[in-house]
Amino acid sequence: DIVMTQSPDSLAVSLGERATIKCKSSQSVLYSSNNKNYLAWYQQKPGQPPKLLIYWASTRQSGVPARFSGSGSGTDFTLTVSSLQAEDVAVYYCQQYYSTPITFGQGTRLEIK
Amino acid sequence: QVQLQESGPGLVKPSETLSLTCTVSGSSVTSGSYYWSWIRQPPGKGLEWIGTIHHSGSTNYNPSLKSRLTISIDTSKNQFSLNLSSVTAADTAVYYCARALGYCSDMGCLALPIFWGQGTLVTVSS
Repeated sequence: DIVMTQSPDSLAVSLGERATIKCKSSQSVLYSSNNKNYLAWYQQKPGQPPKLLIYWASTRQSGVPARFSGSGSGTDFTLTVSSLQAEDVAVYYCQQYYSTPITFGQGTRLEIK
Repeated sequence: QVQLQESGPGLVKPSETLSLTCTVSGSSVTSGSYYWSWIRQPPGKGLEWIGTIHHSGSTNYNPSLKSRLTISIDTSKNQFSLNLSSVTAADTAVYYCARALGYCSDMGCLALPIFWGQGTLVTVSS
């Protein structure tokens, strides 16, 4: 199984400031034939199901605010919230869909400082 | 607008079979573009992918659950279902169904969950 490791486990950022979450996979999730990273990011607010934010490591899902961005390739990835808003308080998960089984990171809790 | 609704018993006894159904509205389970997935989340913990089905009948299961797991699809009711046998307390979780898109790599084809139901809590206890 591909192990996904996120850092930090929790993060407190002031409103309007930048939040950065890291995700590392135990093996590359880059498929060389199409040059795509099979890496997604989800946001889960309390009492709600996860919501897809980013796929292919850097493509925003329709309707996701532009302040959310993803980057990275191979085994190292980053989710950035450029200017934190109150509604961004949530747990964020990375996920690989490169090989069975699909696996998720342990989650990063993002809070307001 | 697509909606997915999980249904089934909220309490299951140890060693019995957990059975859940996901009813889909606003989208057809026979749409060739989509796959249909189950994911679970133990209370206060992270996410675990359970498995995926396509209306063609093809399935992809988490190897850790494969020996106990059956996912099926009922196109006449626009539903898909999960059966997990011989449950223990470790199977206590919120179970989510999701609509997914299929993508292939050199490691095979998987489906990325793109839209999730609200989830249903299943507790395994005597």
